[in-house]
Amino acid sequence: DQQVKQNSPSLSVQEGRISILNCDYTNSMFDYFLWYKKYPAEGPTFLISISSIKDKNEDGRFTVFLNKSAKHLSLHIVPSQPGDSAVYFCAASEESFNKFYFGSGTKLNVKP
Amino acid sequence: KAGVTQTPRYLIKTRGQQVTLSCSPISGHRSVSWYQQTPGQGLQFLFEYFSETQRNKGNFPGRFSGRQFSNSRSEMNVSTLELGDSALYLCASSLKQNANYGYTFGSGTRLTVV
Repeated sequence: DQQVKQNSPSLSVQEGRISILNCDYTNSMFDYFLWYKKYPAEGPTFLISISSIKDKNEDGRFTVFLNKSAKHLSLHIVPSQPGDSAVYFCAASEESFNKFYFGSGTKLNVKP
Repeated sequence: KAGVTQTPRYLIKTRGQQVTLSCSPISGHRSVSWYQQTPGQGLQFLFEYFSETQRNKGNFPGRFSGRQFSNSRSEMNVSTLELGDSALYLCASSLKQNANYGYTFGSGTRLTVV
């Protein structure tokens, strides 16, 4: 039973353009959401997070949007760079639990 | 500052055997979590330890167990290995009691069961 879903296994974008990665969840009790980036042979690296009291959080080229009514979040990368090519995972948790549910990942390829 | 260290990096075991994986968190981090990553399944939560106590457990059979030592280092053990246990096992640590500020992951242990 996957409570967090990333329905696009891959995404290809031209360098300089916007990358939009999407994530849906089913549990309305989730109130913290995180994005991680993973390169081959390395562990995931934390990118950005958002709590349910916000609908947007920015950090440099990365912006996460949260739509609680739709149970949907997205990660925008602007402008995309070839070094952004990696697998991106979204994750969600309830505040009182230190247990995260991860999506299956989206492989982003940024073409030069 | 040293990151999260997992040993060994690669492991090949035979069905029915048991295996122990080790994780050393970042110095000062007291929360250690374990995840299993398999193709198409993403990361699935195994368990989380804080100050030597298991606080959360995922939906894995009892063959999967873990522990945390007083220096915050953690081990996970899988007994009676099955082919389906082949996966990348990731350990993550966090400074705060909840990881909403993000984990730091190790590079993982790649377990292959033959």
